[in-house]
Amino acid sequence: KAGVTQTPRYLIKTRGQQVTLSCSPISGHRSVSWYQQTPGQGLQFLFEYFSETQRNKGNFPGRFSGRQFSNSRSEMNVSTLELGDSALYLCASSLAASGANVLTFGAGSRLTVL
Amino acid sequence: AQKVTQAQTEISVVEKEDVTLDCVYETRDTTYYLFWYKQPPSGELVFLIRRNSFDEQNEISGRYSWNFQKSTSSFNFTITASQVVDSAVYFCALSEADRGAQKLVFGQGTRLTINP
Repeated sequence: KAGVTQTPRYLIKTRGQQVTLSCSPISGHRSVSWYQQTPGQGLQFLFEYFSETQRNKGNFPGRFSGRQFSNSRSEMNVSTLELGDSALYLCASSLAASGANVLTFGAGSRLTVL
Repeated sequence: AQKVTQAQTEISVVEKEDVTLDCVYETRDTTYYLFWYKQPPSGELVFLIRRNSFDEQNEISGRYSWNFQKSTSSFNFTITASQVVDSAVYFCALSEADRGAQKLVFGQGTRLTINP
């Protein structure tokens, strides 16, 4: 059974650019969540999607956005990149949107903003 | 607001020693879930255990054991006879009960180094 797949694994951008990250959940999983991990702030919740609807959003500026497709695959976009956006972006999937569910994480997309 | 505190930033022990990772949480919810995840150098978070707020039964799984005490809002994790492969960053996390959405609040993590 394939795990959560995130692409690209590594990318380098410059300030002001935008970036799109992709996440393919485990087959059958309908909930996809995104987290940002930085040395200073740790792991922070970005947003969660279930059945193509954003169900929950963390405390991030509007430059951070996402969407989920009918096949449950998800993308997140960061526009007008800032140096502080350099981070490991982790995607996780679960069967349903419930606090009880175990999240299965991907290996992450490491973004470096120069 | 929910909060998870892992006071130990880094722990370094010699192989075969026992080590306990501390986790203290804050929540106003009466129903909630606690998790431990492990993050090896490869980056992905690996699920270790989940506990709900009504289940204070402590668990032992091989070399791992967990101690959940609701009275002190703690959910500690112990590795017995540690091995080099246990070296990783360990995260404790808290989730609200079913509210039609899912969000984990993580602690800052404890970097565990097991030296041969």
